[in-house]
Amino acid sequence: EAGVAQSPRYKIIEKRQSVAFWCNPISGHATLYWYQQILGQGPKLLIQFQNNGVVDDSQLPKDRFSAERLKGVDSTLKIQPAKLEDSAVYLCASSFGTPNTGELFFGEGSRLTVL
Amino acid sequence: GENVEQHPSTLSVQEGDSAVIKCTYSDSASNYFPWYKQELGKGPQLIIDIRSNVGEKKDQRIAVTLNKTAKHFSLHITETQPEDSAVYFCAASRGYNQGGKLIFGQGTELSVKP
Repeated sequence: EAGVAQSPRYKIIEKRQSVAFWCNPISGHATLYWYQQILGQGPKLLIQFQNNGVVDDSQLPKDRFSAERLKGVDSTLKIQPAKLEDSAVYLCASSFGTPNTGELFFGEGSRLTVL
Repeated sequence: GENVEQHPSTLSVQEGDSAVIKCTYSDSASNYFPWYKQELGKGPQLIIDIRSNVGEKKDQRIAVTLNKTAKHFSLHITETQPEDSAVYFCAASRGYNQGGKLIFGQGTELSVKP
């Protein structure tokens, strides 16, 4: 079974530029999550989708971050304009069962460096 | 808000020794407690989880204990091997119907020396 696919793996941009990350979850997984992992810290939830509806985006900096999940499958996370503090690994995860109460399957992440 | 504290931040053991990582959580409504292992350049991977109706769970060399009264839970790895070297994260969440989200601890970097 294919895992969670993410791209690009690495991205370096200047501050105030924009960037987009793509995620393809495991087939059949209804719930999709975007986490931000700053170096030396645990993952922090940015947004959670159930099918193509948003379940939780309380920690998403909505003035600069946006995310969508079209047709309940793939998802895109966008940052515009980027700040230095956005440097982090952006992890996409998906799960089959009830959100947050079962196994999350993570992709390898997209590492963003903002200069 | 909800918070999960994890200790220690780094842990170095000799191959064959045991390793213990401890976490405390603040939300008394939390009822699901997974542990994830993250190897360099990879995403976290679930290694074991426990629910609030169980006090202990074991899977080969790893075990997790939960003390709901004290709001803490621990990961125990016995007979450590070099391939156990990684960053370990604890996490906690409420049930879906209670609007919960998974809150991760800060991580423990475990180093197993041959």
